[in-house]
Amino acid sequence: ETAVFQTPNYHVTQVGNEVSFNCKQTLGHDTMYWYKQDSKKLLKIMFSYNNKQLIVNETVPRRFSPQSSDKAHLNLRIKSVEPEDSAVYLCASPGTDQDTQYFGPGTRLLVL
Amino acid sequence: GDSVTQMQGQVTLSEDDFLFINCTYSTTWYPTLFWYVQYPGEGPQLLLKVTTANNKGISRGFEATYDKGTTSFHLQKASVQESDSAVYYCVLGDSYQGGRALIFGTGTTVSVSP
Repeated sequence: ETAVFQTPNYHVTQVGNEVSFNCKQTLGHDTMYWYKQDSKKLLKIMFSYNNKQLIVNETVPRRFSPQSSDKAHLNLRIKSVEPEDSAVYLCASPGTDQDTQYFGPGTRLLVL
Repeated sequence: GDSVTQMQGQVTLSEDDFLFINCTYSTTWYPTLFWYVQYPGEGPQLLLKVTTANNKGISRGFEATYDKGTTSFHLQKASVQESDSAVYYCVLGDSYQGGRALIFGTGTTVSVSP
């Protein structure tokens, strides 16, 4: 049963443009995460957001910013995309077991 | 810092073969270890979670245990099917600046031929 929803599935853009990806979860938890999966399928945490507090991974470039309207939504905005931003961006949230995270299907970004 | 190492990048098997994937981990805390599986076009999904050393996690025919002495963590299945073809990640739960991020291994691509 899908509980983490992401849109769009796929996005193509050009260097310098701004993009925004959406994530919604119905797990009822107040923590959400964004991960980046590169072309070699390496998955790394970008940041987490809980209790209205943003916890930022210091390796994330400043052009990336999360945007939250409520605890069920955490969007990802990228100002002025770079070619190295081409990747799959995965949103996740814990369930009743706070240790276990459930992932959305991902948004694949291609920067030309 | 905490880390997980997954050395097998690719495993090629035939149906009914035995699958074994091994990882090592490093943490200063009591580990929570997971195996996630990712099918093409999908996000990773939880396969197994193990929180106690030498205890066995079992799901969908897969078994996982970890050894605190050798800081190793492995996944096995006695008889794989073509539908088990996917990328398998060993994952360490990490208390990360107040959030509990997951630290992923590099993934093992398992290909099972009929």
